[in-house]
Amino acid sequence: GESVGLHLPTLSVQEGDNSIINCAYSNSASDYFIWYKQESGKGPQFIIDIRSNMDKRQGQRVTVLLNKTVKHLSLQIAATQPGDSAVYFCAEKGWVGNKLVFGAGTILRVKS
Amino acid sequence: ETGVTQTPRHLVMGMTNKKSLKCEQHLGHNAMYWYKQSAKKPLELMFVYNFKEQTENNSVPSRFSPECPNSSHLFLHLHTLQPEDSALYLCASSQVSRTSGGNEQYFGPGTRLTVT
Repeated sequence: GESVGLHLPTLSVQEGDNSIINCAYSNSASDYFIWYKQESGKGPQFIIDIRSNMDKRQGQRVTVLLNKTVKHLSLQIAATQPGDSAVYFCAEKGWVGNKLVFGAGTILRVKS
Repeated sequence: ETGVTQTPRHLVMGMTNKKSLKCEQHLGHNAMYWYKQSAKKPLELMFVYNFKEQTENNSVPSRFSPECPNSSHLFLHLHTLQPEDSALYLCASSQVSRTSGGNEQYFGPGTRLTVT
């Protein structure tokens, strides 16, 4: 069955350092992956996505890496800021259809 | 902020009450979703509507009844709920096409529901 899981429930980083949040998925048929950020009292906010025909995609201060061989996804945040403190979710789905399967989430805490 | 609004933001209801959650999207999307977010659990998909037609009911109890009168509005009617139904209920929307697999969903802020 489909499942998406996160390795670390909580990640604490110093302000200015880089953060890496990891995600493992089990459905080898998944073709599309998304990272979301959820701040307290808000709904999940789209950060970046990647298709399975890519292994890396960069946004503003964020990079998503996809390793299909080991079914692993990561989100890298450069120069982490206090405003990056939130819960981060990965989600995956097949290319057809619109049903996203979400992971449990990782709490990112940024220390000033 | 995201173009998806939800009302009310907070709701406390008894187990015998009937209430409705409302979601509105201003993004021109053609698909809308209801999710349940409980503490320490992944987001759980409840219902999916594509072009106003329900295409997914993820084994949701009948005490939750969705309604999608048009592509911009989505309701979740609640009745005879249980305390374990207390959670954050999130609405999302996206643009779906037969050829585009990319499907980022935009979420509203959620309704915090407490069942007493």
